[in-house]
Amino acid sequence: KQEVTQIPAALSVPEGENLVLNCSFTDSAIYNLQWFRQDPGKGLTSLLLIQSSQREQTSGRLNASLDKSSGRSTLYIAASQPGDSATYLCAVSGNNRLAFGKGNQVVVIP
Amino acid sequence: GAGVSQTPSNKVTEKGKYVELRCDPISGHTALYWYRQSLGQGPEFLIYFQGTGAADDSGLPNDRFFAVRPEGSVSTLKIQRTERGDSAVYLCASSLGSGVEETQYFGPGTRLLVL
Repeated sequence: KQEVTQIPAALSVPEGENLVLNCSFTDSAIYNLQWFRQDPGKGLTSLLLIQSSQREQTSGRLNASLDKSSGRSTLYIAASQPGDSATYLCAVSGNNRLAFGKGNQVVVIP
Repeated sequence: GAGVSQTPSNKVTEKGKYVELRCDPISGHTALYWYRQSLGQGPEFLIYFQGTGAADDSGLPNDRFFAVRPEGSVSTLKIQRTERGDSAVYLCASSLGSGVEETQYFGPGTRLLVL
C-alpha cells in the first residue's frame, strides 16, 4: 500500500521568506505527483502536476521537484505572502486512485 | 465552465439514519472518484467509476457504504445506518479520461456530521 508522508506537519514563516515543503512516498510506481492547496473548510485546488517522467514543474512563485527513484518531492514557494497561508497536500497517482499525505499546514506571518 | 459540484454542502444526521450525498462531475468527464477526509488527515480513496460502472470499490470501508452512477454522469454516495465515525468531509473528483494519470478536479465537498 502506498504511504505518503509530509514534513513538517505545520510551520510558520515571516512574510517574504521562501517556503520548502517536503513529501515522500514508499512506492515509486506512480503515474504522476500532484500538489494541492486546501483552505479551511474548502475543497482542493490543484497547484502543480508533475508527470512521472518529469523532474520539475513551475508556476509563478511555485516550483515542485520530483525524484521518483528516491520517492521524494519538494514544493518551493518563493517570497511567501500572507495569502499563501493554507494546508498543502501532496498526492501520488497509481492503482486507480490518488494517495494523499496529511498535509503541511502553513502560516505566513505579516 | 462549471466545475465539480456537490450537494448538500453540509449534512447533519443522527446515528442510525440513512444519507445520500450527490456529485455532479464536469460535463464530459468519464471518470469519477469519491474520497473521504477526516479531520487532520489527507483524503482517502473510496471508489472509482469509469462510465456507469464501479471500476474499483476497494476503498469502501464496509457494506454500509454504496455508490451509484446510473447514467455515467451524476453519482450518489449512500451510507446506511450511519455511525459517529462516518463524520468527515466527502470529496468527489472527476477527470476527462480513464487513466489515473489524468488530472482530477475536486468539488468543494460535503461535510457530514453524525450525532
